Amino acid sequence: DTGVSQDPRHKITKRGQNVTFRCDPISEHNRLYWYRQTLGQGPEFLTYFQNEAQLEKSRLLSDRFSAERPKGSFSTLEIQRTEQGDSAMYLCASSLPGPNSPLHFGNGTRLTVT
Amino acid sequence: GENVEQHPSTLSVQEGDSAVIKCTYSDSASNYFPWYKQELGKGPQLIIDIRSNVGEKKDQRIAVTLNKTAKHFSLHITETQPEDSAVYFCAAEASGGSYIPTFGRGTSLIVHP
Repeated sequence: DTGVSQDPRHKITKRGQNVTFRCDPISEHNRLYWYRQTLGQGPEFLTYFQNEAQLEKSRLLSDRFSAERPKGSFSTLEIQRTEQGDSAMYLCASSLPGPNSPLHFGNGTRLTVT
Repeated sequence: GENVEQHPSTLSVQEGDSAVIKCTYSDSASNYFPWYKQELGKGPQLIIDIRSNVGEKKDQRIAVTLNKTAKHFSLHITETQPEDSAVYFCAAEASGGSYIPTFGRGTSLIVHP
């Protein structure tokens, strides 16, 4: 178990630029989640995949956000035309199938939009 | 959707004291309640979880209690140590749905040596 890996750890970008983050889940986990966390808040759900299928998206996920998991392994989260309000920690987590499976989180990508 | 409230937002204790963090949830369909610990610069890590068919679970110095009637659950840490200092999050997840936990806003626990 090598854990959930996220890349990059930090990203600074100018407003209006596009950014892409990558998540590599634990290999036998077929569920993958993206959450966003701002200072002093708990993780807020963005979207979730079971294998390659994106099963649910939060209303927080505007049309500038897109996530993919093309082969049911790693996932990417892209933000287009970044805004200062997008500055946050983006957390990826994975879990085994079935109910009540705990999430295993990566260490996140911290995005700063200037 | 589910709403999870967590209190207090900050908790300061002396080493060796006990710490209690409380959460309430709104969706009566929720049946899984994990607790996560987040250290600075890291993602949340599961420390204990409880399912709705039990009222209490203990793992060494950590215990969680659940009251389904009142829709609240609590984390208890005994004999606190400085390394317990971190942010703790409770979460609730409903059955028969999309398996998406909803998190509380977190409690910053500070243990003074």
